[in-house]
Amino acid sequence: QKEVEQDPGPLSVPEGAIVSLNCTYSNSAFQYFMWYRQYSRKGPELLMYTYSSGNKEDGRFTAQVDKSSKYISLFIRDSQPSDSATYLCATQIQGAQKLVFGQGTRLTINP
Amino acid sequence: DTAVSQTPKYLVTQMGNDKSIKCEQNLGHDTMYWYKQDSKKFLKIMFSYNNKELIINETVPNRFSPKSPDKAHLNLHINSLELGDSAVYFCASSPQLSTDTQYFGPGTRLTVL
Repeated sequence: QKEVEQDPGPLSVPEGAIVSLNCTYSNSAFQYFMWYRQYSRKGPELLMYTYSSGNKEDGRFTAQVDKSSKYISLFIRDSQPSDSATYLCATQIQGAQKLVFGQGTRLTINP
Repeated sequence: DTAVSQTPKYLVTQMGNDKSIKCEQNLGHDTMYWYKQDSKKFLKIMFSYNNKELIINETVPNRFSPKSPDKAHLNLHINSLELGDSAVYFCASSPQLSTDTQYFGPGTRLTVL
């Protein structure tokens, strides 16, 4: 079993829809949670970062962490074609030197 | 201004060859990483260096040898390339160890024939 599980999709939604992307993890020691966005043929870029449980909002993006169920989510409101990319969740143990990534969900927003 | 750069961008080679990928960061970061992303987009860490010192070696075959001549550079040398080495290799850097934000390079797409 992978430490971080993520449905690879693909996920295709119409422009303007609310998108929900999710990951589950198995190690309760994970305390930092991130979402990276990766456009085709590019490197991942950090989109959202959350420490421990709770919500964090940045514009159209909301990251949510529920440590009790080991579940992390990214919501995209008013989705745009420019949001089409692969979204990778990542986790980290406090004090550790490495990120553990999910497989990534490929998202397409159709105009 | 490219923060993390890698060369080459594409690399096509025959099985058994030896090849190197170079990485440079101009962010002044102390820590650099190599990741491998397979065909299913699964991104997995291979190595990390902090101030030229090896910190993480994630049970990577010893055909892979990272080298950090200074803290702004982390190169990856691969001996005796195998078909299974075909992947996209990403370099990344972060301000220091145990930090959440890592900045990724554009990747090197390696194809072994």
